[in-house]
Amino acid sequence: DAGITQSPRHKVTETGTPVTLRCHQTENHRYMYWYRQDPGHGLRLIHYSYGVKDTDKGEVSDGYSVSRSKTEDFLLTLESATSSQTSVYFCAISESLGALETQYFGPGTRLLVL
Amino acid sequence: KQEVTQIPAALSVPEGENLVLNCSFTDSAIYNLQWFRQDPGKGLTSLLLIQSSQREQTSGRLNASLDKSSGRSTLYIAASQPGDSATYLCAVRGAGANSKLTFGKGITLSVRP
Repeated sequence: DAGITQSPRHKVTETGTPVTLRCHQTENHRYMYWYRQDPGHGLRLIHYSYGVKDTDKGEVSDGYSVSRSKTEDFLLTLESATSSQTSVYFCAISESLGALETQYFGPGTRLLVL
Repeated sequence: KQEVTQIPAALSVPEGENLVLNCSFTDSAIYNLQWFRQDPGKGLTSLLLIQSSQREQTSGRLNASLDKSSGRSTLYIAASQPGDSATYLCAVRGAGANSKLTFGKGITLSVRP
């Protein structure tokens, strides 16, 4: 398995509170991604990073911010959690982009916003 | 905008049956297509990656094909086993700088003993 860990693995929080999810990799891969997975929607890209301090928005970035101060860590912050952000969040990494690029996924974080 | 469709959403087959899972996509300008497996409560595991210039890839009992011009891919599973029960997702990477993966919603497969 690719060396990807996510923390916490489960979290319950209240509407309006900030929440930070952490993704940590030991593979020294350049690219890191945050997805959310919801029934009926599949996986959707929230934000991604192509290097330290280099990030960009994905398909569903509203209400989320990210930071990457070290190669190995990619943080996802819900600035003020809402019930619509209840989801399973997956981090993924890849070594490169292009025809041979494969993404490796972490185990996921289940977030419940009450 | 790329759209990836997997139909049906769920499939139940008896053990030993050969089966085909389908994936279709709307934009044929892709770098590659991947098939992933997801077990309940787990992350995704890459099964096969087919580059846009390839027609198929094989790994053990799995064979994935790609027809880029028609926007279709199939995942063939030979001699299915109960351990194959999982959700199978396909994803395409668009051609172009900073292209991203677009996922289908997956097919949940149940193999009955």
